[in-house]
Amino acid sequence: NAGVTQTPKFQVLKTGQSMTLQCAQDMNHEYMSWYRQDPGMGLRLIHYSVGAGITDQGEVPNGYNVSRSTTEDFPLRLLSAAPSQTSVYFCASSYSGATEEQYFGPGTRLTVT
Amino acid sequence: AQKVTQAQTEISVVEKEDVTLDCVYETRDTTYYLFWYKQPPSGELVFLIRRNSFDEQNEISGRYSWNFQKSTSSFNFTITASQVVDSAVYFCALSDFFNFGNEKLTFGTGTRLTIIP
Repeated sequence: NAGVTQTPKFQVLKTGQSMTLQCAQDMNHEYMSWYRQDPGMGLRLIHYSVGAGITDQGEVPNGYNVSRSTTEDFPLRLLSAAPSQTSVYFCASSYSGATEEQYFGPGTRLTVT
Repeated sequence: AQKVTQAQTEISVVEKEDVTLDCVYETRDTTYYLFWYKQPPSGELVFLIRRNSFDEQNEISGRYSWNFQKSTSSFNFTITASQVVDSAVYFCALSDFFNFGNEKLTFGTGTRLTIIP
């Protein structure tokens, strides 16, 4: 099992550009989520999904879109990147919910100039 | 709303000393889960422990121990005889059942632990 994979590992964007951060898991987990990690802020929940076709907003959803068309994949879209979105992004998954151990991907370091 | 406070931003101790990382939480639910995760310098997030609100027994795993006290809403983490490999950022997290089926996991801001050789 590869666990939770994220691509790319690093990305530099210019303000206004769009991109998609990819997240995939091969553990047949229903629950997937995206977090951003900023210095002094811990990890903050962006969006999450309790299963294919179901997504919901977390603490900091503005500027990000998600969809969940399959159990395995949970991409995060930045529609128009802003410098405030410079961060490290982590995808996580668990069997059925946030009350279980989360399996995290290795992270994507995004810089918006 | 759920909230996790880790008041210690950074801690430095000399190797072999014991160290306790504090975690205080807020929730309006009676059923909830608490977690600790470790983030070593390499950046990945490593699960350490999960505890539910009905189990207040302290837990020990090797040099690691956890003290859960509902009366003070705390879930503190102690490392005994610290080692350089314990240097990392440690996060406490909380998830409750207030909105069952749409649970969210809330993290504290983390404590950076440095073990000095």
